[in-house]
Amino acid sequence: DSGVTQTPKHLITATGQRVTLRCSPRSGDLSVYWYQQSLDQGLQFLIQYYNGEERAKGNILERFSAQQFPDLHSELNLSSLELGDSALYFCASSVRPGDEKLFFGSGTQLSVL
Amino acid sequence: GESVGLHLPTLSVQEGDNSIINCAYSNSASDYFIWYKQESGKGPQFIIDIRSNMDKRQGQRVTVLLNKTVKHLSLQIAATQPGDSAVYFCAENRGRYGKLTFGQGTILTVHP
Repeated sequence: DSGVTQTPKHLITATGQRVTLRCSPRSGDLSVYWYQQSLDQGLQFLIQYYNGEERAKGNILERFSAQQFPDLHSELNLSSLELGDSALYFCASSVRPGDEKLFFGSGTQLSVL
Repeated sequence: GESVGLHLPTLSVQEGDNSIINCAYSNSASDYFIWYKQESGKGPQFIIDIRSNMDKRQGQRVTVLLNKTVKHLSLQIAATQPGDSAVYFCAENRGRYGKLTFGQGTILTVHP
């Protein structure tokens, strides 16, 4: 167990809908990362937060947004969902942004039908 | 239409054999490399890491080798066990803030 908690484990929704994925980092970790894993793209970095502030952005679509709250948990919001958004979404955490060793949660499997 | 997916390299070994998983990286400025193991239905799990000022690092049953000249990374697993069956990813830190860029992965299957 990495100590990173993600909910829900599975999410099934329809095209055009909006969902929120939740992540609680390991105790003491201030930095949270979101990754998307799909069959055709592999593990892709989406976005990173540190102590409530956005620190780095990757291949995140404009329909997606994220935030980190004062208690350090993070949410990834996916809107206007398309079939191609079906993927595993992972949250990872580290103590601080310069810590390269990331600890991953078990992921949320999103299925858009 | 036809779906397109990543065709991951695969490695099949017998239990007790040594396994070597290879990874090529592209950015000569990367200064940190890490191997993760991902079992079915789970998130990537840290195995071992290495900085660019080293060429070898050993852990428990695992060794990572780094060849900066040819930008190649390898993971050696000694006495491979069925529980080692998983997808193995190498990742590099190409920039600041600990953002890791992952390789496509290699599927390791260990036969009893």
